[in-house]
Amino acid sequence: DGGITQSPKYLFRKEGQNVTLSCEQNLNHDAMYWYRQDPGQGLRLIYYSQIVNDFQKGDIAEGYSVSREKKESFPLTVTSAQKNPTAFYLCASVRDRGYQPQHFGDGTRLSIL
Amino acid sequence: GENVEQHPSTLSVQEGDSAVIKCTYSDSASNYFPWYKQELGKRPQLIIDIRSNVGEKKDQRIAVTLNKTAKHFSLHITETQPEDSAVYFCAATSTISNFGNEKLTFGTGTRLTIIP
Repeated sequence: DGGITQSPKYLFRKEGQNVTLSCEQNLNHDAMYWYRQDPGQGLRLIYYSQIVNDFQKGDIAEGYSVSREKKESFPLTVTSAQKNPTAFYLCASVRDRGYQPQHFGDGTRLSIL
Repeated sequence: GENVEQHPSTLSVQEGDSAVIKCTYSDSASNYFPWYKQELGKRPQLIIDIRSNVGEKKDQRIAVTLNKTAKHFSLHITETQPEDSAVYFCAATSTISNFGNEKLTFGTGTRLTIIP
């Protein structure tokens, strides 16, 4: 969906480096999510945020951090503590509580140099 | 927590034939079941969904069935076409907060190949 913009499309991380993935949405959605996708494992939830200044850990939060200072922005930082960061990262949003299908961004592919 | 299993992991069918992908879930409280199609390197896109108060839903060549008692749901694609080739994911929702927001737990995906 054109309403969720992820950048960059490709990102390379050096050893010991933190990198930040951007996710911006203009859909006026309250809830935002970060997923990690590895081959053969589907999508796994890293962090989610229901409202500004609030966020919660998902299933695989170790080595990641997030912030939600604005409704439209939910950046994800992959820290040096994440030893296996190579994956496809997808940001998603949902309008509000209820049975809303999640809208996904185009994703960021992160690789280790 | 919720666990979703999806089978088969790969599926090849002749163009024009039907394809069926099956998923099971563990949380009996799950109440919303979407299916996504993902082409290589692209975002998942919702193709059909079903809520727990419905047993079957159809949209042109695509249909989904839900058996709440057995906790399984299936995607059916009829008259398959080459553009149906992609990875398909099932998912099930569970409530994750007092605000009522849902978390989607995904299956591991099925790579569908349509043979011309």
